[in-house]
Amino acid sequence: DAGVIQSPRHEVTEMGQEVTLRCKPISGHNSLFWYRQTMMRGLELLIYFNNNVPIDDSGMPEDRFSAKMPNASFSTLKIQPSEPRDSAVYFCASSRDRGTGELFFGEGSRLTVL
Amino acid sequence: AQSVTQLGSHVSVSEGALVLLRCNYSSSVPPYLFWYVQYPNQGLQLLLKYTSAATLVKGINGFEAEFKKSETSFHLTKPSAHMSDAAEYFCAVKGNTGKLIFGQGTTLQVKP
Repeated sequence: DAGVIQSPRHEVTEMGQEVTLRCKPISGHNSLFWYRQTMMRGLELLIYFNNNVPIDDSGMPEDRFSAKMPNASFSTLKIQPSEPRDSAVYFCASSRDRGTGELFFGEGSRLTVL
Repeated sequence: AQSVTQLGSHVSVSEGALVLLRCNYSSSVPPYLFWYVQYPNQGLQLLLKYTSAATLVKGINGFEAEFKKSETSFHLTKPSAHMSDAAEYFCAVKGNTGKLIFGQGTTLQVKP
C-alpha cells in the first residue's frame, strides 16, 4: 500500500520566493494534517482538514501561510513570501478518522530559505 | 485542551539495558495516547496507542506502555535496548477534536 506521499523532499529557495509543498494522503483517509518540525519548537500542528474542510488552522503562523485541500487525494501548503525562519521540515499526515485512528506520516519536505 | 510533557530530552542507555521514556499528559476528556518513533531523516512511525481498552499496551519492536490515570502518565518501556532503537521518540495525545498534540520528544541513545 502506498503511504502518504510528499513532494518535494527537499527545497532550497531564496527569501521572498513562493514555496508550495504537496501531499497525497492515503486513499480512504478522511483527515489530513500539516505539521512543522524545528529543533527549537519541535512538532507543531499547523492545520488539519476533515473531509477536505479545514477544521482548525490556529497553528498557521501568519498570513504568509495558506493550505488547501481541493479533493480527498491532494493538499498543498503554500508560503508566500518565504522567510529564513520558515526553514523547517514540513510533514503531512493522514488518518482514517477523528477518533482513535492513528496518524500516518509522510517522509517530510525539508525547506531551506536562504 | 490536551497537552503532553516528556521528561528528559535525552536518555542514554547501554545495549541490553532497560529503556524507560517518560510521558505525562493533560486532558479534560478521556485521552487517546500514542507513542511515535522517528529515525533520522524519516517521518514518524506509530509504536503503540492507547484507546481506553487494556491499560498495558504492547507495540512494535518489543516496546510497551502503561496507561496510569491516577498518575496521568503513559511511560514507554522496553526490557532490553538494541542499537537499532536509537531514535527520537514522541508521546502524543488526541482528544475529541481529532487533533494530535505531540510532546517535545526524547532522543534515545544506545551505547554499545
